[in-house]
Amino acid sequence: GQNIDQPTEMTATEGAIVQINCTYQTSGFNGLFWYQQHAGEAPTFLSYNVLDGLEEKGRFSSFLSRSKGYSYLLLKELQMKDSASYLCAVIDSNYQLIWGAGTKLIIKP
Amino acid sequence: ETGVTQTPRHLVMGMTNKKSLKCEQHLGHNAMYWYKQSAKKPLELMFVYNFKEQTENNSVPSRFSPECPNSSHLFLHLHTLQPEDSALYLCASSQDRGDPDTQYFGPGTRLTVL
Repeated sequence: GQNIDQPTEMTATEGAIVQINCTYQTSGFNGLFWYQQHAGEAPTFLSYNVLDGLEEKGRFSSFLSRSKGYSYLLLKELQMKDSASYLCAVIDSNYQLIWGAGTKLIIKP
Repeated sequence: ETGVTQTPRHLVMGMTNKKSLKCEQHLGHNAMYWYKQSAKKPLELMFVYNFKEQTENNSVPSRFSPECPNSSHLFLHLHTLQPEDSALYLCASSQDRGDPDTQYFGPGTRLTVL
């Protein structure tokens, strides 16, 4: 079967750095997405990785290792508004998007 | 600001009711999707439309009936639902189906079935 694993919940402090991990086992791989979803709102696109390495976009960075079936989302200089769920999703060989259950990130002052 | 809108935002219905969810995208995309999001579970893909044609139906019960009159509008017709159907229903669109395209989501309809 196909599976995406992410921690259910994480807590971090305002101003700090947090890393949210995602591991996947899928039939093929055509890319990995990270989405942010605030409570009661739409998921919004954060990043897309298809090649190994780190993609940096402001305070957010996303890393991919295809050989390890692993990705992480790195959030720096955390702000209270970063409190949200972070969804990892992988595109398999049939271009199906396989979703993780999401990681709820709680930021404390 | 999202280019995908959904109405209503909240819906409470009885098991014998018939209701419809509406989704509209203003992004000029060709593919549209219905997802079910339950607490602490991965998004479940329900239906996919590409150029107004239904291309996927992921074993969704017949009490959910999609309709796509054009590439900008998508409906989900609901009838004789069960309490376990209570969830957030998300609509999304992407440029095309079949490429690793970014999907853009609407805010969802929070459905409660009594």
